[in-house]
Amino acid sequence: ELKVEQNPLFLSMQEGKNYTIYCNYSTTSDRLYWYRQDPGKSLESLFVLLSNGAVKQEGRLMASLDTKARLSTLHITAAVHDLSATYFCAVDVTSNFGNEKLTFGTGTRLTIIP
Amino acid sequence: DAGITQSPRHKVTETGTPVTLRCHQTENHRYMYWYRQDPGHGLRLIHYSYGVKDTDKGEVSDGYSVSRSKTEDFLLTLESATSSQTSVYFCATAPYLGLAGSHNEQFFGPGTRLTVL
Repeated sequence: ELKVEQNPLFLSMQEGKNYTIYCNYSTTSDRLYWYRQDPGKSLESLFVLLSNGAVKQEGRLMASLDTKARLSTLHITAAVHDLSATYFCAVDVTSNFGNEKLTFGTGTRLTIIP
Repeated sequence: DAGITQSPRHKVTETGTPVTLRCHQTENHRYMYWYRQDPGHGLRLIHYSYGVKDTDKGEVSDGYSVSRSKTEDFLLTLESATSSQTSVYFCATAPYLGLAGSHNEQFFGPGTRLTVL
């Protein structure tokens, strides 16, 4: 059974600081996704990582994937209040068409403190 | 936004009653999914569909059934609701991208908050 673990589960950080959220998974996969969820809202796709060494950046967020270590990171640079949200990683291990599905981590609730 | 709507958005019902949630998409995506979200569990897959009339179980399918009679609609039914099914339910869709560069980026609907008393 695939397990996807995120840490930390809760993170409070000051504006202007840098931090990293980690996503570990238990089986071979080269496809990983990051989502953002604001309180009471739906999930929004942030990054799609499709190969070992993939790196994507959007504003103050940068995601990377190391398939050999089964690890993805979401790095936050110079945090601002607008980044406060819950962040989920999700792993895709399916290879047969007609059977595509994701397994989600439990999420990291990020709070940016002024 | 993949043009996904869910109905109802909120529902309160009593234990033992049947409940049907609807997911409607206008993007002609092949894949559709139902998840539930509970504190401490992230999102857990209930059922999914990989085409019209083609469905399969997810990790928490007990007590739920689904149907997909046309591409646009995916229905989730709780045959006899229980308090443990109180949750926020999300529908998601994903396109079929073919053999090359295939991935499973999913797009989510707004959610349905279900309370079973």
